Amino acid sequence: DQQVKQNSPSLSVQEGRISILNCDYTNSMFDYFLWYKKYPAEGPTFLISISSIKDKNEDGRFTVFLNKSAKHLSLHIVPSQPGDSAVYFCAASVAGSYQLTFGKGTKLSVIP
Amino acid sequence: GAVVSQHPSWVICKSGTSVKIECRSLDFQATTMFWYRQFPKQSLMLMATSNEGSKATYEQGVEKDKFLINHASLTLSTLTVTSAHPEDSSFYICSAPTSGRSYEQYFGPGTRLTVT
Repeated sequence: DQQVKQNSPSLSVQEGRISILNCDYTNSMFDYFLWYKKYPAEGPTFLISISSIKDKNEDGRFTVFLNKSAKHLSLHIVPSQPGDSAVYFCAASVAGSYQLTFGKGTKLSVIP
Repeated sequence: GAVVSQHPSWVICKSGTSVKIECRSLDFQATTMFWYRQFPKQSLMLMATSNEGSKATYEQGVEKDKFLINHASLTLSTLTVTSAHPEDSSFYICSAPTSGRSYEQYFGPGTRLTVT
């Protein structure tokens, strides 16, 4: 049973436009959510995170929104750049634990 | 930022042999490291938690006698795939947290294992 779900395996966006990547979770014990970016044959790189006590966190072109009642979070990238093309993983953790539960990832392609 | 390295980056071995993968934290000490496995187009699945000076904790369904984990020092954890079979072919990634929060977790570049 997947506790973190990314239902869109891929997404294509024009350069300069907004990319919106979605993530849903089922475990109400999750209290911290993270987005990682991954290139082929490389390990994931931390991008941005959000605590369950917040509903928005922004870092430059990246903004993560959290809707606890819907158990949904999204990553917005604006403006999208070709270098953003990668697989994006949503991950979640429970308070007091280092362990991360990952979604299956969404492959973002930013078209020049 | 913190760096985690893995060696080798890729390895091909014959069925029935054993393969050792190293994970090192280069500029920080890690009492805990994590081992993940990723199959093509799948999520990163946590295999086990490696603890320095004590036994590793394995996730349900992961054979601890097949995937031997040794956390010999504060900067090194090793994963040995024993009697490897083609179905063990996968991308193995380690990670290490640098503080008390999971967002401080840094991942290694991964090891591609192919068993023929």
